[in-house]
Amino acid sequence: EAQVTQNPRYLITVTGKKLTVTCSQNMNHEYMSWYRQDPGLGLRQIYYSMNVEVTDKGDVPEGYKVSRKEKRNFPLILESPSPNQTSLYFCASSPDRGARGTEAFFGQGTRLTVV
Amino acid sequence: GQSLEQPSEVTAVEGAIVQINCTYQTSGFYGLSWYQQHDGGAPTFLSYNALDGLEETGRFSSFLSRSDSYGYLLLQELQMKDSASYFCAVNTGGFKTIFGAGTRLFVKA
Repeated sequence: EAQVTQNPRYLITVTGKKLTVTCSQNMNHEYMSWYRQDPGLGLRQIYYSMNVEVTDKGDVPEGYKVSRKEKRNFPLILESPSPNQTSLYFCASSPDRGARGTEAFFGQGTRLTVV
Repeated sequence: GQSLEQPSEVTAVEGAIVQINCTYQTSGFYGLSWYQQHDGGAPTFLSYNALDGLEETGRFSSFLSRSDSYGYLLLQELQMKDSASYFCAVNTGGFKTIFGAGTRLFVKA
């Protein structure tokens, strides 16, 4: 089954404790992206990647890191989480734009709480 | 700055037609997408417009006017299961994407 898998689904952590949210896709997509979703703000892009070893900042990259060492994986790293990073996070992947434009396939989401 | 504006809420009755508008102001434009998100779920892709005009996919249609920086999503024959949030999104270049804040659609019986 074609899917984007994020782990964990839920995470409660303390301020300053490094964490990684994993994202994996099995569709051989070139593009991958991380978003955070907060009430009233919609989805905001954190980082995106257009291929292995190619990443770039989205609108809200501060406090986050990413890496793309393999095509299928795109982990999100919070080196020193703070309470303002409490949010719902989505990973998405997308094939080359072509006729389908930016059709993105989203993971199930990771609800992160930083206390 | 860059922004996408859409209504926060829309209410309609089952079987009716509803239109959700989206106006955008972005530094680049490669296309307008629409996504649906049910409570507790992930966004799912509905449609994409890169050129002016209407795209139809079953009960859903999407329209784009690049000269007006405007688009809309049209939902016909509304069903209760269409109650969800709908987001417009603009690809501003590469894979950089900006989303609107979302429109919550309530479908009443």
